[in-house]
Amino acid sequence: EAQVTQNPRYLITVTGKKLTVTCSQNMNHEYMSWYRQDPGLGLRQIYYSMNVEVTDKGDVPEGYKVSRKEKRNFPLILESPSPNQTSLYFCASSPGVGTYEQYFGPGTRLTVT
Amino acid sequence: GQQVMQIPQYQHVQEGEDFTTYCNSSTTLSNIQWYKQRPGGHPVFLIQLVKSGEVKKQKRLTFQFGEAKKNSSLHITATQTTDVGTYFCALPEGGGKLIFGQGTELSVKP
Repeated sequence: EAQVTQNPRYLITVTGKKLTVTCSQNMNHEYMSWYRQDPGLGLRQIYYSMNVEVTDKGDVPEGYKVSRKEKRNFPLILESPSPNQTSLYFCASSPGVGTYEQYFGPGTRLTVT
Repeated sequence: GQQVMQIPQYQHVQEGEDFTTYCNSSTTLSNIQWYKQRPGGHPVFLIQLVKSGEVKKQKRLTFQFGEAKKNSSLHITATQTTDVGTYFCALPEGGGKLIFGQGTELSVKP
């Protein structure tokens, strides 16, 4: 089944404790992206990747890192999480950028205390 | 950068009433996409509009792209409880960026 998976689905952590949210897709998509969703703000793009070893900043990249060592995986790293990073995070993939539909993962709800 | 405004933020309707959400951009768009997110779920692609003045229909949903390619709308005729969710427009900004509207949350009272 074609899908985007994220782990964990829920995470409660403390300020400053490094964490990684994994994202994997099995559709051989070149484009992958991370979004955060906050009430009233819609989905805001954090980072995106056009292909392996090619990543770029979205609108809200501060406090996040990503890597794209393999085509299928695009982990999101929070080196030192802070409470303002409490949010719902979505990973998405698509065959390309611009005119291709995005396939979203199920989401990761992160709480930083 | 590109600005996008989606209105209204919330819409409460009685089942059977119509619903419309609007998406307005500060710049001319190459294309626009629409997504639906059910409560507790993830966004799911609905449609993409590319041509000026384009109108596409999916059963009770009608999507329009403005003549100037700076705005778009999604209209639902005779809403049903299954239409509940948040509807987002999404605009490519170029170079890989994708900008989402703030979303319109639709609730339907049976």
